[in-house]
Amino acid sequence: DAKTTQPNSMESNEEEPVHLPCNHSTISGTDYIHWYRQLPSQGPEYVIHGLTSNVNNRMASLAIAEDRKSSTLILHRATLRDAAVYYCILSQETSGSRLTFGEGTQLTVNP
Amino acid sequence: GAVVSQHPSWVICKSGTSVKIECRSLDFQATTMFWYRQFPKQSLMLMATSNEGSKATYEQGVEKDKFLINHASLTLSTLTVTSAHPEDSSFYICSVSPPGYGYTFGSGTRLTVV
Repeated sequence: DAKTTQPNSMESNEEEPVHLPCNHSTISGTDYIHWYRQLPSQGPEYVIHGLTSNVNNRMASLAIAEDRKSSTLILHRATLRDAAVYYCILSQETSGSRLTFGEGTQLTVNP
Repeated sequence: GAVVSQHPSWVICKSGTSVKIECRSLDFQATTMFWYRQFPKQSLMLMATSNEGSKATYEQGVEKDKFLINHASLTLSTLTVTSAHPEDSSFYICSVSPPGYGYTFGSGTRLTVV
C-alpha cells in the first residue's frame, strides 16, 4: 500500500475552517484517497473519499492536487464535535479490500 | 453504509482466560469482515481478514492460535482472544465493507486483562 504523510496534530478554533493536509507522493493511478476520523474510544467513521476530482459531501470537502500527490480535507466550520484523529488512507478499491491506517492527525478544536 | 454492532463494548478478564468479541453486520451480508487492534496513542493495526465459511487470513506477526476468528454466518464474525495476558489489553475493532459504500467500523471493544 502506498504511504501517506500527515501532520501529527493541528489546532483550530470553533466555527473556523480547517484544512487537513495529506501527502501521498507514491500514489498510483488507481489509488482512491479515503478519509476517516476516529473520536475518542470509538471506531473510525467515514468522512469522504475521492479519486481525481474534488469531492463535497455534508461532512467535508476533499481537494485533490492535480498531480494527485497530495490532498486536503476541508472542514468548513469546525465544531467541538469535530475534535478527532483524522486518517488519510490510500486504497485501490472503494470497498472490500484491507485498509492500512497511518498515524493520522489529531485535530483539537478550541472553543 | 452498513450498520455494525460490536459486543461487548468493554470487558475485563483474568490472565489466562479467554474472551470472545462479537461483530454483527445488521443490514448487510458480509462475506468478509476485518479485525483491527489499537493500543493507546497508536493507530489501528489490521490483525486479520475474516472470511465467511473459510479460514481467516492473518496479518504477519499475528498468532492465529491465539486470536481465533470464526465467521460462520454472513452476519456474524467472532474474535476469541485465548489465554489472554496483560499485553493483549487493547481496543479491538471490527469492520465491514459493502460494495460501493466504503468501510463501516464497529464501536470497538476495550479489553483489559488483569
